[in-house]
Amino acid sequence: ETGVTQSPTHLIKTRGQQVTLRCSSQSGHNTVSWYQQALGQGPQFIFQYYREEENGRGNFPPRFSGLQFPNYSSELNVNALELDDSALYLCASSLLGRLRKSTEAFFGQGTRLTVV
Amino acid sequence: AQRVTQPEKLLSVFKGAPVELKCNYSYSGSPELFWYVQYSRQRLQLLLRHISRESIKGFTADLNKGETSFHLKKPFAQEEDSAMYYCALLNAGGTSYGKLTFGQGTILTVHP
Repeated sequence: ETGVTQSPTHLIKTRGQQVTLRCSSQSGHNTVSWYQQALGQGPQFIFQYYREEENGRGNFPPRFSGLQFPNYSSELNVNALELDDSALYLCASSLLGRLRKSTEAFFGQGTRLTVV
Repeated sequence: AQRVTQPEKLLSVFKGAPVELKCNYSYSGSPELFWYVQYSRQRLQLLLRHISRESIKGFTADLNKGETSFHLKKPFAQEEDSAMYYCALLNAGGTSYGKLTFGQGTILTVHP
């Protein structure tokens, strides 16, 4: 059984650029959630993907978008980067079953994005 | 809107002392609450969830719906308990289904 892996681990981008972050979910999981964690804050929910569709979204602008692939891996895309987008981006996978009951969410180690 | 509040950013105790990390929440439905822990240089991991009603590493947490609290307790703290602790609430409906709302976290330091 493999855990949740994210790539890259660190990234530096310039304001206005676009970035793609990647996440491989844990074996057997079908749901991926993305979180943004600013320094000194708890993680903030960006969105969740289930069966390749967005299944819930937090209070983030449309320039934050995502994809889920048939193998349940996922990408987070951020367009028109702003300085405030600098944060740790966490991916979490879980298994969403019948009656919309979810198992424990397992987190990746995160991608540290710095926007300069 | 759902919210999780952890009033203490920092908490220091001595080894063997009792520890309580506070968590209060606001949620209109039936809450499902969790405690996550992040040890130094490790990823965020689940410590316990209220529906399991189990004790993990000596920690317990009881959901008090009247006080809207889910405090984490351990009778005798150990140095290896030093970590960042997050309380989190699961949204089980609406447009943000599956969303975990986290508190700001409490850094627990257990001194020898």
